[in-house]
Amino acid sequence: NAGVTQTPKFQVLKTGQSMTLQCAQDMNHNSMYWYRQDPGMGLRLIYYSASEGTTDKGEVPNGYNVSRLNKREFSLRLESAAPSQTSVYFCASTRDRLGGYTFGSGTRLTVV
Amino acid sequence: GQQLNQSPQSMFIQEGEDVSMNCTSSSIFNTWLWYKQDPGEGPVLLIALYKAGELTSNGRLTAQFGITRKDSFLNISASIPSDVGIYFCAGLPNRDDKIIFGKGTRLHILP
Repeated sequence: NAGVTQTPKFQVLKTGQSMTLQCAQDMNHNSMYWYRQDPGMGLRLIYYSASEGTTDKGEVPNGYNVSRLNKREFSLRLESAAPSQTSVYFCASTRDRLGGYTFGSGTRLTVV
Repeated sequence: GQQLNQSPQSMFIQEGEDVSMNCTSSSIFNTWLWYKQDPGEGPVLLIALYKAGELTSNGRLTAQFGITRKDSFLNISASIPSDVGIYFCAGLPNRDDKIIFGKGTRLHILP
């Protein structure tokens, strides 16, 4: 099925470890987004890419980096994981914001 | 920055009851969106609204774009167990802006 695919679905890291969350969409969407979801906080934008070759900071970018590898793929990297980065991470994409975003099923990350 | 205030934060209802939730802002939005997030999944778009006063239905769900452009409402009629989840409102000030999300209303259905 067409959509947004995120890998891995679950991950446990030790404090200080690094990892990259992968996201790919096959809908030919221009814009892609990374959100984190924490209880009571809703969805907070980490980084976004309005089009291939561009990336911009969102509301909570500290501790993260992103790469828009090509039109399909947008990865999120944690260079040195901290317990405060324990969260559920969602990738989303859109062709036209009027139609809303399509979300992946999330990556559940625990940093111990 | 622009914020959406979504209420209530949480609801506990009996199966078969109707549900109402709303979303308000201090600024104008030109598009309102309602999403549902099932447990363990990502949010899925339910309804999109593009015109002030617009009333749109999707099965048992009905959403309205407020006349002032500063609010939106979602109603669910005759709730069933699969309605459990988090409902997010979202607003788009203008086409070139980023979508802004409310913090969600968590719906619980009591047996």
